[in-house]
Amino acid sequence: EAGVAQSPRYKIIEKRQSVAFWCNPISGHATLYWYQQILGQGPKLLIQFQNNGVVDDSQLPKDRFSAERLKGVDSTLKIQPAKLEDSAVYLCASSALNEQYFGPGTRLTVT
Amino acid sequence: AQSVSQHNHHVILSEAASLELGCNYSYGGTVNLFWYVQYPGQHLQLLLKYFSGDPLVKGIKGFEAEFIKSKFSFNLRKPSVQWSDTAEYFCAVKRSTGGFKTIFGAGTRLFVKA
Repeated sequence: EAGVAQSPRYKIIEKRQSVAFWCNPISGHATLYWYQQILGQGPKLLIQFQNNGVVDDSQLPKDRFSAERLKGVDSTLKIQPAKLEDSAVYLCASSALNEQYFGPGTRLTVT
Repeated sequence: AQSVSQHNHHVILSEAASLELGCNYSYGGTVNLFWYVQYPGQHLQLLLKYFSGDPLVKGIKGFEAEFIKSKFSFNLRKPSVQWSDTAEYFCAVKRSTGGFKTIFGAGTRLFVKA
């Protein structure tokens, strides 16, 4: 069974630039999550989708972050404009029930 | 607000030593509990989970965890660690009703000396 795919794996941008991350969940998983993991901390949920609807985006900084899952499968997370404090690993996960399966993450460095 | 505390940020053990990593959470309702592990250079992966039933849960690679409801705890244990257990361990808690998000602890970085 293929796992959760994410791209790119690494990204370096300057502050005020924009960036987008892509996630392809495990086939058949209705729930998709985007997490932000800052160095030394645990993953923090940014947004959770159930199919193509948003279940929870209470911790998403909506002035600069956006996410979509148009057809209920793939998802993109965008940051525009980026700030230095956005440097982190962005994890995508998917689940069918309660167990989440994580992708390898995208390491973002904002300079 | 719901929170998850992992008491040890860094643990160093010698091979064959016993391991116990603490995890406490603040939510008082019915919860689902998880331990995830991240080996160097690898994805986060599930180590074990508790939903209901026997509070002593067995996971992969000889790990186990005990849910003590009265203490709001879900500590991870392994009787004898190996060098290959070197990794970062995350405790996570999710309310089992209402679709509440999963909250992760800050993680414990374990280093096992060969």
